[in-house]
Amino acid sequence: GAVVSQHPSWVICKSGTSVKIECRSLDFQATTMFWYRQFPKQSLMLMATSNEGSKATYEQGVEKDKFLINHASLTLSTLTVTSAHPEDSSFYICSARDGGVAGDYNEQFFGPGTRLTVL
Amino acid sequence: GENVEQHPSTLSVQEGDSAVIKCTYSDSASNYFPWYKQELGKRPQLIIDIRSNVGEKKDQRIAVTLNKTAKHFSLHITETQPEDSAVYFCAARAFGNEKLTFGTGTRLTIIP
Repeated sequence: GAVVSQHPSWVICKSGTSVKIECRSLDFQATTMFWYRQFPKQSLMLMATSNEGSKATYEQGVEKDKFLINHASLTLSTLTVTSAHPEDSSFYICSARDGGVAGDYNEQFFGPGTRLTVL
Repeated sequence: GENVEQHPSTLSVQEGDSAVIKCTYSDSASNYFPWYKQELGKRPQLIIDIRSNVGEKKDQRIAVTLNKTAKHFSLHITETQPEDSAVYFCAARAFGNEKLTFGTGTRLTIIP
C-alpha cells in the first residue's frame, strides 16, 4: 500500500511553545489529508480535514487558532500546535487518501504518529 | 452525523480459538466499512474492509460480515495467534463523505 510519513515521531516541549508536525505522502498525491488525536486507551478523534490549496475544515470543539493546518502541496500537510499546554499532550496521527484512485472507496493510509509531550 | 458503536471493549481469547468484534452504525448512507489493527504506539493498519454491496468478505483467518438492514458489521478472527493481540477499530464512511468515523476500539488479548 501507499506510504505516509510523519515527522517528528516524538517531541517534548515546554508549555507555551509551538510545535510543528509534518505529514507526507511518499508515493502518491493526497488531495485530502486528515489529522487525528488519540489519547491513551481511546479511539482516534478527527481534528480536521485538509484539502490541498484550501482552508482546513475543523471538527466541532477543535480550536482552529490553536491547531493550525496547512496543506500546501499534494504531498505535504502540517499541523502546528500553538502555545502548547500539558493537556495538548497526545498522539497525533495524520492520514491521507489517494486522490489518483477512482471511486469512493479510497483507502486511507495512516502516518506512524507523533507523540507530543508538553511539560 | 455518523455514530459507530463497538463491542466488546476488551476481549480475551485462548490461542487457537475465534474472536468476534461487533460494530453498529447509525447513518444508512454509510457504504464503506474498514477494520484497523493498532499495536501500542503505532499507526492503525487496515486489515480488511467491506463495501455495502457485499455481505461477507474473507482473507485467510480474517472475515468481515455486513448486515445493512440491521446496520451492523462484525470482524471474525479464527485460529487466533499471540500476534493477533492488539487494539482493533471498526470504522464507517458514507458515500460522498470524506470522513471516517471510528468505533471506540476493542483490546484483544490472545492467551497462549
